[in-house]
Amino acid sequence: GEDVEQSLFLSVREGDSSVINCTYTDSSSTYLYWYKQEPGAGLQLLTYIFSNMDMKQDQRLTVLLNKKDKHLSLRIADTQTGDSAIYFCAEGGYQKVTFGTGTKLQVIP
Amino acid sequence: KAGVTQTPRYLIKTRGQQVTLSCSPISGHRSVSWYQQTPGQGLQFLFEYFSETQRNKGNFPGRFSGRQFSNSRSEMNVSTLELGDSALYLCASSLSGQGTLGNSPLHFGNGTRLTVT
Repeated sequence: GEDVEQSLFLSVREGDSSVINCTYTDSSSTYLYWYKQEPGAGLQLLTYIFSNMDMKQDQRLTVLLNKKDKHLSLRIADTQTGDSAIYFCAEGGYQKVTFGTGTKLQVIP
Repeated sequence: KAGVTQTPRYLIKTRGQQVTLSCSPISGHRSVSWYQQTPGQGLQFLFEYFSETQRNKGNFPGRFSGRQFSNSRSEMNVSTLELGDSALYLCASSLSGQGTLGNSPLHFGNGTRLTVT
C-alpha cells in the first residue's frame, strides 16, 4: 500500500535554508506535491514535480526527487518567519493522493 | 478565479446530533474530496466524488456520508456525533480527480472546524 513518511519537526534560524524530507513507497506515483498549512487554514499547494524529473526550482523553493530511493525533499532558501507552518508532501498515482504526516517548520528570528 | 469555499467555518454540536458541511469547488473542477484532520491522526481521507458519483472511500463508519450535486458542489453529513468527531474537515477540489495519473492537484478550502461537546 501507499505510505508517505516525514519527520515531525524542523527548527531553523531566519535567513538559513530549510530542507524538509519525505519518503514514499508507491513506485507508480506520477506526481509528487508539496503543500503548506498555516494555523487555522487549509492546505496551500506550493509546488509539484513530475516523477520523471529530478529537480524543480520555483523562486525560493527547490524540489529534489530521487526516484530510485523514493525520496523527495523541499528546500526553502533564505527562510523567513512567514515560512513557519506545517509542510505536507503527497504522492499521486493510480489510486489516490496520499499525504504524509506533515513536518512542522519553526523559524527562529 | 474563486478558490474552494467551505461553510460554515466553525460549528459546535452536542453528542448525538447530526451535522452537514458544505463545499463549493473551484469553477470547472468536477472532483471534490473530503478529509478529516486531527492532531492525533493527521490528514485522513473520507471520500471523493466525481460527477455526482462517489469514486473512492476511506475507512470511516457509515455515519459519515456525502453527496455531490450537478453543479459539483458537495455536502458531507455526520450523524450521531461522537466526541471523537471533533476535527477540522477539509474539502479539496481538482479538475479530473485523484488516481487519474495526470496532474490534477488538489486545491483545499480553509476547512470547517467542528467541535462536539
